[in-house]
Amino acid sequence: AQSVTQLDSQVPVFEEAPVELRCNYSSSVSVYLFWYVQYPNQGLQLLLKYLSGSTLVESINGFEAEFNKSQTSFHLRKPSVHISDTAEYFCAVSEPQAGTALIFGKGTTLSVSS
Amino acid sequence: DTGVSQNPRHKITKRGQNVTFRCDPISEHNRLYWYRQTLGQGPEFLTYFQNEAQLEKSRLLSDRFSAERPKGSFSTLEIQRTEQGDSAMYLCASSPRLAGVYEQFFGPGTRLTVL
Repeated sequence: AQSVTQLDSQVPVFEEAPVELRCNYSSSVSVYLFWYVQYPNQGLQLLLKYLSGSTLVESINGFEAEFNKSQTSFHLRKPSVHISDTAEYFCAVSEPQAGTALIFGKGTTLSVSS
Repeated sequence: DTGVSQNPRHKITKRGQNVTFRCDPISEHNRLYWYRQTLGQGPEFLTYFQNEAQLEKSRLLSDRFSAERPKGSFSTLEIQRTEQGDSAMYLCASSPRLAGVYEQFFGPGTRLTVL
């Protein structure tokens, strides 16, 4: 069965520092990949997605993720974080052939301090 | 769009009681999903509707759980004879007809506490 591993449960960083949140998935078949963000007391919001094409995808607020098929990874990066980026980040995968369910990782809590 | 709404936002109940949650998807979204999220875990898929048809159910959805979407708009999730292990955040998501699995829009969730 498909699974998603987020290697870090908590990532503390200082403001303006770069950050990488790691995500690996288990499937060797074609997949769609997503990063969702959950701010405190809010619902999940889609941050970015990879469906096909360019392996580097970007969000409107400066995050980017790169699909690496050989390493089955989809790590999320930002060159300079803000305090407002403090949130929980979830990596998710779906297999088009297997249906529509999203399989989520356990999440990474990003804490940005000044 | 007003977004996906869920009611109630919080529910506290005693073990053995039945509870029902409601989800109102974004209008004209034909697909509706239910997920469950426990502390320290990511959301886990429970079930999915396309219009009024329930097309997929996870093995997590025991016999005590039932979901409906009678008119292809709002959906309800009922848990009968609640157990303490049912305590979790129940999330609803919807997606539009053309996007399918590409993007699911999530509601704020209903937090269930079973005493």
